[in-house]
Order: sequence, then C-alpha cells, then structure tokens
Amino acid sequence: QQPVQSPQAVILREGEDAVINCSSSKALYSVHWYRQKHGEAPVFLMILLKGGEQKGHDKISASFNEKKQQSSLYLTASQLSYSGTYFCGTEISGAGSYQLTFGKGTKLSVIP
Amino acid sequence: KAGVTQTPRYLIKTRGQQVTLSCSPISGHRSVSWYQQTPGQGLQFLFEYFSETQRNKGNFPGRFSGRQFSNSRSEMNVSTLELGDSALYLCASSLAYQRDTGELFFGEGSRLTVL
Repeated sequence: QQPVQSPQAVILREGEDAVINCSSSKALYSVHWYRQKHGEAPVFLMILLKGGEQKGHDKISASFNEKKQQSSLYLTASQLSYSGTYFCGTEISGAGSYQLTFGKGTKLSVIP
Repeated sequence: KAGVTQTPRYLIKTRGQQVTLSCSPISGHRSVSWYQQTPGQGLQFLFEYFSETQRNKGNFPGRFSGRQFSNSRSEMNVSTLELGDSALYLCASSLAYQRDTGELFFGEGSRLTVL
C-alpha cells in the first residue's frame, strides 16, 4: 500500500522547474506532502483532500487526481532552499482511522 | 511554542537488548504517531495513539510496542533488538482527531544503532 514516488532523485539548477509524482493502487482520501532537509525533521508542505482544490504555497503547488489516485507536486523557479527529500503521504478512503503511509521519497538537489 | 521533543537523540544497543524511546508532543496535541525511517525505505508507519488509545498499527512485528500517557507523552519499546532495527525513529504529533485536519509535526528523531 506504500505509494510510489517518481522520480527517485532529480538535480536542478536554480530557476528550473520540477514535478514530483505520487501514485497509489488504492482509492485515496487525501494526499500530504512533506519535505525533509538533511539531518532535520520532515516539515509539512500541504494537504490535498478528495474533492478539494489544488493547493499552492509560494512557488510550490500540488494537484490531486482522484480518478487516477495520483498527486503531483510542482516546484517552479527552484531555489537552493528547495533542496531536500520530498515525501508524499497517503490516506486510504474508508481506512477508518488516522494513518499516513509515506512513499520512499524523492531527493531533490538544487545547484547554483 | 516548543516543538516535539524526542529522547534520547542517539543510542547504541547490541542485539537482543531492548530499548525505550520517548516523545513529548506539542502542548495540546493529543495524537502521536511513530515512524521508522531507513535509507531507501522512506517513512514506515509504526503506530498512532490518541488519548491513550492505539488507533492504528503498521505492519511491524510484536517486538515493537508503544503506549501513550494521560499527558499525551508517548513511548515506544523495541524488544529483542535485531541488526535491522537500526534506524531513525521519528515521532509526530497532531491536533487531529478526524483525518482531514492533517498536519503532522515531527520531532528530530532518535537514531538507534544496533551492533
């Protein structure tokens, strides 16, 4: 039930854009995105709910395709501070209680 | 306000020993979740507690257990340690009672090394 993230790793130059995908084989209730910088705790970016709207935060936004059980995280005009590992966490519809299942992560490196 | 506090931050054990890790959530947060993080596997869900009740448990052997106290502080215990238990154990707290109120606040973790 672990969601699949792609790509596993990506290297960008400052100012370039990136897309990180997250897909599940199960019907999803919500998708959460977190970023973890090296040696630090994961930090919440955003949550997308079934039936909800696309979210955005500064130059980072995300979408949730309920029919395909997929979510994508969009990073535009990347900055050095965007470097880190991005995790999507999924909640399965009808699971009955609060449990996030995370993907293995996408390592994003932004270079000057 | 103070964040999620995990102790100890680092520890080394030998195979067969047991270990107890502690987590103090953000004040007012009643939900505490535990995750195991290993290279290449991401964050794997261990269990989640709300108001001293375990609401959900991940796919880990019975050697992994936890509990939550009335002040919302939580502990997890791993008995009969194996080399594969070496990992970063992360605790996260949340206000959430319902699923859609989401945000998890993570501690910096307890790094366990089993020799």
